[in-house]
Amino acid sequence: DIQMTQSPSSLSASVGDRVTITCRASQGISNSLAWYQQKPGKAPKLLLYAASRLESGVPSRFSGSGSGTDYTLTISSLQPEDFATYYCQQYYSTPITFGQGTRLEIK
Amino acid sequence: QLQLQESGPGLVKPSETLSLTCTVSGGSISSSSYYWGWIRQPPGKGLEWIGSIYYSGSTYYNPSLKSRVTISVDTSKNQFSLKLSSVTAADTAVYYCASTETGRGDAFDIWGQGTMVTVSS
Repeated sequence: DIQMTQSPSSLSASVGDRVTITCRASQGISNSLAWYQQKPGKAPKLLLYAASRLESGVPSRFSGSGSGTDYTLTISSLQPEDFATYYCQQYYSTPITFGQGTRLEIK
Repeated sequence: QLQLQESGPGLVKPSETLSLTCTVSGGSISSSSYYWGWIRQPPGKGLEWIGSIYYSGSTYYNPSLKSRVTISVDTSKNQFSLKLSSVTAADTAVYYCASTETGRGDAFDIWGQGTMVTVSS
């Protein structure tokens, strides 16, 4: 199985901050990576796929980058609605695996 | 716009079989444009992929659950289903059905709202 490790596990930030979350795969995944946002009591919401492709309707302040084993999600200017938990997911090979999550909290 | 809705018992006894259904609306489950999956999330924990089924009928399961899982499609009802046998308390979780539109790899772009299943006697 491909292990996905996110860092940090939690993060405190303020509205307007630029935030970066990192996801590292235990082996190369050729950009087969998605990012999700999950708010309490809600289903995850797809933000990006193929590492950097923005899902329709997702604000452009979200961006993704990376290659090989290392990937990042960047939020350029945090908005109040962005405080949530973020997960990465690899779909390069089965079993599909998720990172453990990064909880983004208001400072 | 595709929509998914899970349904099934919220309480299952240990050693019994958990059965959930996902009803698809706004699109055909037989379409080659989509494939379908189940993901679960234990309380306070992260996401775990259970398995997926493709329009060809091919299924892929998480090896950690493979011996207990069956995912199938009912085209007449526009539904797909999950069966998980011999459940224990460790199977207590919110269960989500989700879909992937062709071209997104296996990134799940549409999710159901989730259904909480508790395993307890």
